[in-house]
Amino acid sequence: GAGVSQSPSNKVTEKGKDVELRCDPISGHTALYWYRQSLGQGLEFLIYFQGNSAPDKSGLPSDRFSAERTGGSVSTLTIQRTQQEDSAVYLCASSLRGGQNTGELFFGEGSRLTVL
Amino acid sequence: EDQVTQSPEALRLQEGESSSLNCSYTVSGLRGLFWYRQDPGKGPEFLFTLYSAGEEKEKERLKATLTKKESFLHITAPKPEDSATYLCAVQAADSWGKLQFGAGTQVVVTP
Repeated sequence: GAGVSQSPSNKVTEKGKDVELRCDPISGHTALYWYRQSLGQGLEFLIYFQGNSAPDKSGLPSDRFSAERTGGSVSTLTIQRTQQEDSAVYLCASSLRGGQNTGELFFGEGSRLTVL
Repeated sequence: EDQVTQSPEALRLQEGESSSLNCSYTVSGLRGLFWYRQDPGKGPEFLFTLYSAGEEKEKERLKATLTKKESFLHITAPKPEDSATYLCAVQAADSWGKLQFGAGTQVVVTP
């Protein structure tokens, strides 16, 4: 596709369940990012991938959160034992290059997670 | 700790009424400052990158400027389609990919 694709667009789950969010970046983009946006808040950095490696995962809130990227392309963000405070929009972005010259990020439309 | 503060939180403008948005930052060495636009229910859309004090970038009715402590986004003669939330973000010199975002300024332009 032409842009960053995220699925599902909406997810409602019960507290304690596990969820997986998927991101398909723009073809050829080596860098991939996950951010979280809570209602009325700015974007909160979660993790950055360069290829399949994650040089910076300092923003993952707890060990319930994990992410992986395979084939230098698709990434999955997994939240285990979801809590109500995990409710937010999870945004994925990709860029042509990363590291110390991040440049322009291209964002997907996000996955809205609601934990009941 | 790196910090980005945007003001005002919200701005209501009449069509044609020019104004400026502020982004103040503290960062351990600035690698780049970014402006994004976000429409409701959408992901942010890139507008500008500024790298050094004194730099300016323009796009249609928007102009971004940068000093050592803050950046301004000037909106000249806005139109209703300029209504959006404008986000500012910084990348620190020691950052490997992480952008620190401000909370945004919500702009509403009425006809």
